[in-house]
Amino acid sequence: AQSVTQPDIHITVSEGASLELRCNYSYGATPYLFWYVQSPGQGLQLLLKYFSGDTLVQGIKGFEAEFKRSQSSFNLRKPSVHWSDAAEYFCAVERSGGGADGLTFGKGTHLIIQP
Amino acid sequence: DAGVIQSPRHEVTEMGQEVTLRCKPISGHNSLFWYRQTMMRGLELLIYFNNNVPIDDSGMPEDRFSAKMPNASFSTLKIQPSEPRDSAVYFCASSRMGTVLFFGSGTQLSVL
Repeated sequence: AQSVTQPDIHITVSEGASLELRCNYSYGATPYLFWYVQSPGQGLQLLLKYFSGDTLVQGIKGFEAEFKRSQSSFNLRKPSVHWSDAAEYFCAVERSGGGADGLTFGKGTHLIIQP
Repeated sequence: DAGVIQSPRHEVTEMGQEVTLRCKPISGHNSLFWYRQTMMRGLELLIYFNNNVPIDDSGMPEDRFSAKMPNASFSTLKIQPSEPRDSAVYFCASSRMGTVLFFGSGTQLSVL
């Protein structure tokens, strides 16, 4: 079965500093991978997705992620964080490639921004 | 475009009562998903529908939980009877089959 691991429960970053959130997946075939963000009291918003092709994908709000098959990773990065980036970040993998079987989510990483 | 609409936003009820959560997916989307979010277990897929047909309900915790999708624009998740351990945020999400999931704002359920 697919699984997603986000090793960091909390991460604290100073405003203006760079950010990298880690995500590792377990999946037998080529995965469909996603990063979502959740602000307090809100639903999940898609930041970016990887289906195939270029392994470096660009998303909204200045985020990017790189798919590395050899490391089974899909880490999220941002060169300079803003206070408004404080939120919960979820990595997810589609349950079956190409289908509509929903997503399996990691436990999330809580991002704290220091002034 | 209106997003996925869930109601109510908050529900407080007493143990043993019936609870009904509602979801209106995005028009044109043919897949609908119900997720539950708790601190301990994170986001869990409860059930999903394709073209109004339930496909996989293996994530539904117990027979106390049931979900229906009578038409393409409406779905319900019912808990009867409710228990304190059902307290969680319940999310509905929809998609065109095989593409990105769009989430509603969730229903915060508290069972006392």
